[in-house]
Amino acid sequence: DTGVSQNPRHKITKRGQNVTFRCDPISEHNRLYWYRQTLGQGPEFLTYFQNEAQLEKSRLLSDRFSAERPKGSFSTLEIQRTEQGDSAMYLCASSSSGQGEAGELFFGEGSRLTVL
Amino acid sequence: AQKVTQAQTEISVVEKEDVTLDCVYETRDTTYYLFWYKQPPSGELVFLIRRNSFDEQNEISGRYSWNFQKSTSSFNFTITASQVVDSAVYFCALEAGGFKTIFGAGTRLFVKA
Repeated sequence: DTGVSQNPRHKITKRGQNVTFRCDPISEHNRLYWYRQTLGQGPEFLTYFQNEAQLEKSRLLSDRFSAERPKGSFSTLEIQRTEQGDSAMYLCASSSSGQGEAGELFFGEGSRLTVL
Repeated sequence: AQKVTQAQTEISVVEKEDVTLDCVYETRDTTYYLFWYKQPPSGELVFLIRRNSFDEQNEISGRYSWNFQKSTSSFNFTITASQVVDSAVYFCALEAGGFKTIFGAGTRLFVKA
């Protein structure tokens, strides 16, 4: 059984560079979420997909952040012109829920970004 | 607005003690879901329990139990006879009207042998 897979697990980059993270959800899950977690804090919602449609995006997500989920399968999160404040763990989660029902989230191990 | 508050930042107990982690939530929705997740030192968040707003029955699973009280907007989590392996960060979470799950800041539990 494959759970949620994220890569790369660690990324160190210089300020101003672009980075891209990939998430492969559990195959039968139609919902995919991106969260950001900094030290000592809970996961902070970034964006959510149902199949290939991006249904919600946090106001915290600046124009430098973009996420896609082509064909409703894997997803990518790109951060352009990285800043030191972007340093965090980026978590992907997927779930499978019926109409009007919230299901539990299955999380990946995360992609840790360090911006120098 | 929706909010989850976990007032306890860190708790330290000795093995075999009981410990309760507090969670208070805010939402205007009448239909909502509450969750607890565990984040062990390895880092990956693991689901523990889900409750919907219409089911106030308390639940027990082994050494874990949950007390949901709508009157006080609380969803507390108790670990009975704690073990060292229970050491982790525990997050309470809320999903209401939109499938966006928001998390509290977490409570770090240290269980000493």
